[in-house]
Amino acid sequence: DIQMTQSPSTLSASIGDRVTITCRASQSISIWLAWYQQKPGMAPKLLIYKASTLETGVPSRFSGSGSGTDFSLTISSLQPEDSATYYCQQYHNFMCSFGQGTKLEIK
Amino acid sequence: QVQLVQSGADVKRPGASVKVSCKASGYTFTGYYIHWVRQAPGQGPEWMGRINPNSGDTHYAREFQGRVTLTRDTSISTAYMEVSRLTSDDTALYYCARGSGSWYYFEYWGQGTLVTVSS
Repeated sequence: DIQMTQSPSTLSASIGDRVTITCRASQSISIWLAWYQQKPGMAPKLLIYKASTLETGVPSRFSGSGSGTDFSLTISSLQPEDSATYYCQQYHNFMCSFGQGTKLEIK
Repeated sequence: QVQLVQSGADVKRPGASVKVSCKASGYTFTGYYIHWVRQAPGQGPEWMGRINPNSGDTHYAREFQGRVTLTRDTSISTAYMEVSRLTSDDTALYYCARGSGSWYYFEYWGQGTLVTVSS
């Protein structure tokens, strides 16, 4: 099974900051990676798929990059509504698994 | 608009089974896989399996094989997930989610169903 490891586990940043979350796969997954945002009491929301493709309606301050085993999610200018937990998910070879999450807090 | 509406919260004894429903609307039910994902308190999501509503074909995560059964009723655009031999470790929020075609990432999610296993 492919293990997904995110870092950091928690992150505190200020409004307007550039924030990056990383995700590493235990083996190559090509570009088959998605990112989700989850707020308390809500279902996860798809932000990015195929490592760098922005889901319709997601603000352009979110971007994704990477391939193989190393990936990142970047928020270019942090907004108050971005406070949430973020998960990466691999979907290589008709299986999938999630990272353990990164909790992003606003200072 | 696409909606997935799940059945309500449930409390079960250890050893029992639970069946959760997921009613789809706003799109052609048979055109997209329905996946089931669970999330234990304070944990990340965990993929359980998926069903192709058109054919009924299923694919389960290894750790749920033999204990989870996915079915569907196309006449009412509803998918079902049944988990048997429940233990306290199965206490979690259970989500249905619509895949993107045959890809295993999830564009739309249900609201979640809390299943509590307690004696």
